[in-house]
Amino acid sequence: EVQLVESGGGLVQPGRSLRLSCVASGFTFDDYAMHWVRQAPGKGLEWVSGISWNSGDIGYADSVKGRFTISRDNAKNSLFLQMSSLRPEDTAFYYCAKDQQYSSTQNFDFWGQGTLVTVSS
Amino acid sequence: DIQMTQSPSSLSASVGDRVTITCRASQSINIYLNWYQQKPEKAPKLLIYAASTLQSGVPSRFSGSGSGTEFTLTINSLQPDDFATYYCQHSYTPPGFGGGTKVEIK
Repeated sequence: EVQLVESGGGLVQPGRSLRLSCVASGFTFDDYAMHWVRQAPGKGLEWVSGISWNSGDIGYADSVKGRFTISRDNAKNSLFLQMSSLRPEDTAFYYCAKDQQYSSTQNFDFWGQGTLVTVSS
Repeated sequence: DIQMTQSPSSLSASVGDRVTITCRASQSINIYLNWYQQKPEKAPKLLIYAASTLQSGVPSRFSGSGSGTEFTLTINSLQPDDFATYYCQHSYTPPGFGGGTKVEIK
C-alpha cells in the first residue's frame, strides 16, 4: 500500500524558514517523480514544486521560485521542501504527491494527508 | 500559464442522478487533463487521467471525455460516497488546477 507521510508544518513568523519532509513507503521511491501541492484553508489546489526521480529535473511555481527548494533522498525514501522568506500567503496545507512516472508526467496518483503551515506574526 | 475554468462551482444533486462537470482550458492541452475528488479534511484522489482513462480502483460510474480546451467529468448514478469537491488539472508545465466543483446533496 502506497503511503506518504508529511511532517514539519507549524506556526512560523513571516520572513522565517521551515522545512517539510515526506516519507514514502509501499512503492519503489526512486522510480518516480514527486511533487508538493498546497491548499490554503477553504481554497483550491496549487502546484508548488516537482522533482524527477534522480533530481535532474526540478520545477517551481512562480509564486515560490527563489524562496522554496525541493530535494529528495532516495536512500531514505524521503522528499523535502525547504521554505524560506515565508509570507502570510504561503499559509496552506502542503501535500506530498507521487507522480505516475519517473520523469514528471505531472499526474498525481497518490497524495499524503498533508501538513499545515501557518505564517503569521 | 494555462488557466483552467470549471463550471458550475457547485451543484445540488440526488442519489441516482447523472452529474456533469465541465472544465475549460485557456489554450489547447490536447488530452493532458486529470480529474480529482476531494472530501472534507482529506487529500485529493486521482479519478481520471489523460482526459478519459480511469485510475485503477475507481468505480466505472465515473467517466471523462474531451480534448483540446473542453473537458467533461460525468458521474452516472450518483452515490452517497460521491458527494465531494471535484478538481480538474492540466499536466502541462506548470501544472494548474481548476477552481473546483462542490457536489452537494439535494
